[in-house]
Amino acid sequence: DQQVKQNSPSLSVQEGRISILNCDYTNSMFDYFLWYKKYPAEGPTFLISISSIKDKNEDGRFTVFLNKSAKHLSLHIVPSQPGDSAVYFCAAGDNQGGKLIFGQGTELSVKP
Amino acid sequence: NAGVTQTPKFQVLKTGQSMTLQCAQDMNHNSMYWYRQDPGMGLRLIYYSASEGTTDKGEVPNGYNVSRLNKREFSLRLESAAPSQTSVYFCASKRTRQNDEQYFGPGTRLTVT
Repeated sequence: DQQVKQNSPSLSVQEGRISILNCDYTNSMFDYFLWYKKYPAEGPTFLISISSIKDKNEDGRFTVFLNKSAKHLSLHIVPSQPGDSAVYFCAAGDNQGGKLIFGQGTELSVKP
Repeated sequence: NAGVTQTPKFQVLKTGQSMTLQCAQDMNHNSMYWYRQDPGMGLRLIYYSASEGTTDKGEVPNGYNVSRLNKREFSLRLESAAPSQTSVYFCASKRTRQNDEQYFGPGTRLTVT
């Protein structure tokens, strides 16, 4: 059973516009959520995180929103740039040994 | 400061062969993790070590063993490789077992024929 789901395998956005990546989870014990970015042939790199006590966290062009009642989080990138083209993974943790459960990933393509 | 390093970068094995994937971190992190990434499946946790001297199974541990050699090093062993273990393997570390980001290595691409 997939506890963390990213239902859109791919997303294409024009440069300068907003990119919205979505993630759903099923386990109400998750209390920490992260987004990672991955370029081909590289390891994932941490982008932004949010604790379950917050509903929004911002870092420059990146904002993560958390809706606990809907068990849904989203990543907004504004404005999108061609260098943002990568695979984005959402992940969730429940403070048990630091384990993370990852979604399947969404491949973002930002076109000039 | 190299972060998380993995060796080898690429490996081809025949079915039934064994090998060990090496991982080391120089950030003085306490917790270390092994994941595999397959198309459409995201990253799945194989084994983890919350602290030196402990190891635990993740989501997909069958066919693998691990050793936390010391605080820096965490190795993953395939005793008898199978084609289903063809994947990209990532090692990660984090400072504590509490909620915090994990830092990933560059990955090992393994093909089992």
